Amino acid sequence: QKEVEQDPGPLSVPEGAIVSLNCTYSNSAFQYFMWYRQYSRKGPELLMYTYSSGNKEDGRFTAQVDKSSKYISLFIRDSQPSDSATYLCAVSRGAQKLVFGQGTRLTINP
Amino acid sequence: GAVVSQHPSRVICKSGTSVKIECRSLDFQATTMFWYRQFPKKSLMLMATSNEGSKATYEQGVEKDKFLINHASLTLSTLTVTSAHPEDSSFYICSARERRVRDEQFFGPGTRLTVL
Repeated sequence: QKEVEQDPGPLSVPEGAIVSLNCTYSNSAFQYFMWYRQYSRKGPELLMYTYSSGNKEDGRFTAQVDKSSKYISLFIRDSQPSDSATYLCAVSRGAQKLVFGQGTRLTINP
Repeated sequence: GAVVSQHPSRVICKSGTSVKIECRSLDFQATTMFWYRQFPKKSLMLMATSNEGSKATYEQGVEKDKFLINHASLTLSTLTVTSAHPEDSSFYICSARERRVRDEQFFGPGTRLTVL
């Protein structure tokens, strides 16, 4: 079993739609949860960083962590074509070694 | 935010040659840097963790004699792919751990290596 599972997609939605991206993880020892955005042939860019269960909002992005279910989500409101990218979830025990999900390729259609 | 650079951004080399990739933290000191490898449409796989002034810690299955890592200063780590072969062609990405505000990793833009 992979430590982090993420549906690779691809996921295609119309502009303005709400996007929901999800990951599950297997080890309850993971304490830090992150979402990265990666454009083609670029390095990952940190979008959201959370430590505990609950919601964290930053502009159009909301990260949600449910430790009891070992489930993390990223919601994008009012999606834009510029949001088209690969979104990677990552988990960590202590902000040292990150374990990444496979990444979900997202396309926002104008 | 913290900025990490990589050089070169792209390199093409002949089989059997060695290639050095640099990773620099531009506006902060990074006691720990990480090296990842990413195949097309795949996720990042950690290759090694590099701590300033000490030997790198390699992940299982990564040949330390093939992928030489040096972290000689708080702002620079290098990855040398020795005797490169076509199967080493990949996207190599470094990250640096920034601890001033919160413990995060910031990623470089990546280096695309193509071995002919």
